[in-house]
Amino acid sequence: AQSVTQPDIHITVSEGASLELRCNYSYGATPYLFWYVQSPGQGLQLLLKYFSGDTLVQGIKGFEAEFKRSQSSFNLRKPSVHWSDAAEYFCAVGAGEGGADGLTFGKGTHLIIQP
Amino acid sequence: DAGITQSPRYKITETGRQVTLMCHQTWSHSYMFWYRQDLGHGLRLIYYSAAADITDKGEVPDGYVVSRSKTENFPLTLESATRSQTSVYFCATQGSVGNTIYFGEGSWLTVV
Repeated sequence: AQSVTQPDIHITVSEGASLELRCNYSYGATPYLFWYVQSPGQGLQLLLKYFSGDTLVQGIKGFEAEFKRSQSSFNLRKPSVHWSDAAEYFCAVGAGEGGADGLTFGKGTHLIIQP
Repeated sequence: DAGITQSPRYKITETGRQVTLMCHQTWSHSYMFWYRQDLGHGLRLIYYSAAADITDKGEVPDGYVVSRSKTENFPLTLESATRSQTSVYFCATQGSVGNTIYFGEGSWLTVV
């Protein structure tokens, strides 16, 4: 069975600083990988996804992620965070083609932005 | 464009009662999913459906029942609610394989 580990429960970053959120996955086949963001009391919004091809994926809101098969990682990065980036971030791996059999999520990383 | 509508958004019920959470989508997406979100667990898949009349168990299906008689609706029923089913429930849809998976705004359920 697939699994996702987000090692950092909380991360605090100063506004304007760079950000990297870690994600490690376990999946037997070619992984379909996702990053979602959740603001308090809201649903989840897709930031980006990786299915195949270029291992550096660009997403919305200035985020990018790099797929590294050798490290089973899919870390999320942003060069300069804004106060509005404060939220919960979830990494997920999809079962079935393109996640059609559902997603397995990590437990999330809570991002705090310091002024 | 309503997208995904979950109802009720907030519900308090008593142990042993039956509760149905509704999920309605206006996109005619083939795939629909139910997740529950609990502190410290992230989101976990309860049930999913690839099309009308096709449903499959996810990671945590015990105590839940689903049906999908119409493409646009995917109700989740707790046949006899327990306190451990207190959670936030999210419905999600996906148009076809590889497409973006969209989430509803969630239904907050408290079982007392």
